[in-house]
Amino acid sequence: QKEVEQNSGPLSVPEGAIASLNCTYSDRGSQSFFWYRQYSGKSPELIMFIYSNGDKEDGRFTAQLNKASQYVSLLIRDSQPSDSATYLCAVNRGNTDKLIFGTGTRLQVFP
Amino acid sequence: GAGVSQSPRYKVAKRGQDVALRCDPISGHVSLFWYQQALGQGPEFLTYFQNEAQLDKSGLPSDRFFAERPEGSVSTLKIQRTQQEDSAVYLCASHNNSPLHFGNGTRLTVT
Repeated sequence: QKEVEQNSGPLSVPEGAIASLNCTYSDRGSQSFFWYRQYSGKSPELIMFIYSNGDKEDGRFTAQLNKASQYVSLLIRDSQPSDSATYLCAVNRGNTDKLIFGTGTRLQVFP
Repeated sequence: GAGVSQSPRYKVAKRGQDVALRCDPISGHVSLFWYQQALGQGPEFLTYFQNEAQLDKSGLPSDRFFAERPEGSVSTLKIQRTQQEDSAVYLCASHNNSPLHFGNGTRLTVT
């Protein structure tokens, strides 16, 4: 079992729809959870981070964390073609600063 | 500087050559990480520094890989006797009690 698992996709949604991206992790000691967006040929850029159970909203993005289920998700409302990218879930390992990344989910938003 | 700076952006090496990849972190950032990202995969942890101390090098794939950060600022990742499987994007990231910020990466191609 990988430490951080994501469906590789592609996830295709129409413009204006809600895109839902999911991630599970195996280390119950993890405390910090991140979503990065990566355009093709570019480096990852931070979208959201969440430390506590529940929802955290920032503009069109909502991160959801459920530590009991070891599950973190990212919702993108009113999806735009410019949101088309690979979304990487990252989780810290235990009490360390080391971030472990999933393989990413490719999102395609079509007009 | 404003962001994490990596050089060179692209490096082509013949199999067996040594290469050195440079990372300039964000000024004042104590922690510096190196990741390796193969095509279609998420970033894989290589090594981590806090100031000049290398706290974790468990992700370095072999003893051909060596990283240093002698003055706690600029870091160099050196790969000796490069092999084709070393072809990847090498990402540097830094932080200071904040989420990781990535540089643009160095794309290494070993022919």
